[in-house]
Amino acid sequence: GQNIDQPTEMTATEGAIVQINCTYQTSGFNGLFWYQQHAGEAPTFLSYNVLDGLEEKGRFSSFLSRSKGYSYLLLKELQMKDSASYLCLNNQGGKLIFGQGTELSVKP
Amino acid sequence: EAQVTQNPRYLITVTGKKLTVTCSQNMNHEYMSWYRQDPGLGLRQIYYSMNVEVTDKGDVPEGYKVSRKEKRNFPLILESPSPNQTSLYFCASSPRERGSYEQYFGPGTRLTVT
Repeated sequence: GQNIDQPTEMTATEGAIVQINCTYQTSGFNGLFWYQQHAGEAPTFLSYNVLDGLEEKGRFSSFLSRSKGYSYLLLKELQMKDSASYLCLNNQGGKLIFGQGTELSVKP
Repeated sequence: EAQVTQNPRYLITVTGKKLTVTCSQNMNHEYMSWYRQDPGLGLRQIYYSMNVEVTDKGDVPEGYKVSRKEKRNFPLILESPSPNQTSLYFCASSPRERGSYEQYFGPGTRLTVT
């Protein structure tokens, strides 16, 4: 069943910063992933958090709080090509649960 | 080139006609998985495999079978397809390094069952 929640859609302006939140069921937690998916394409890996704190990778950062069952993906200096769906994924020891995805639209 | 391949990429079939979607990876990954993606429901895991001869049910296994006889291949079998199995299917593999399951996805198979 669905145990992971993220907003359905968001809109932001080119050059701005956007934060996409994700809450998940904490039982059996083994790591939290973020993926990017452009329409009609396969998802591609962005980040992985298993310990609390912030992981930075270029323009993208991801944060995890295990006690709160909460993560966010931070995208800086937004570009038009960042318009895509962003998927939160909860690893429960091999069984992988995706959120429904957040459709991000970047406008000029 | 390291990759996950799926065949066929597109398939239109009729209710009840058995079909197999193949998945193969050339990265010697232990973990492989099948997902379906439907509008409004996101990606849902069908089956996964931690290693050869080891398979487990994901969230939506009903109506599907899998096998893992060798490390590189993980076929998805629909014994009697029905229209509600019309979907976009993705296969993925992962090295499971340090407990991580960073996945590499195949290009997808768009299946229509009439």
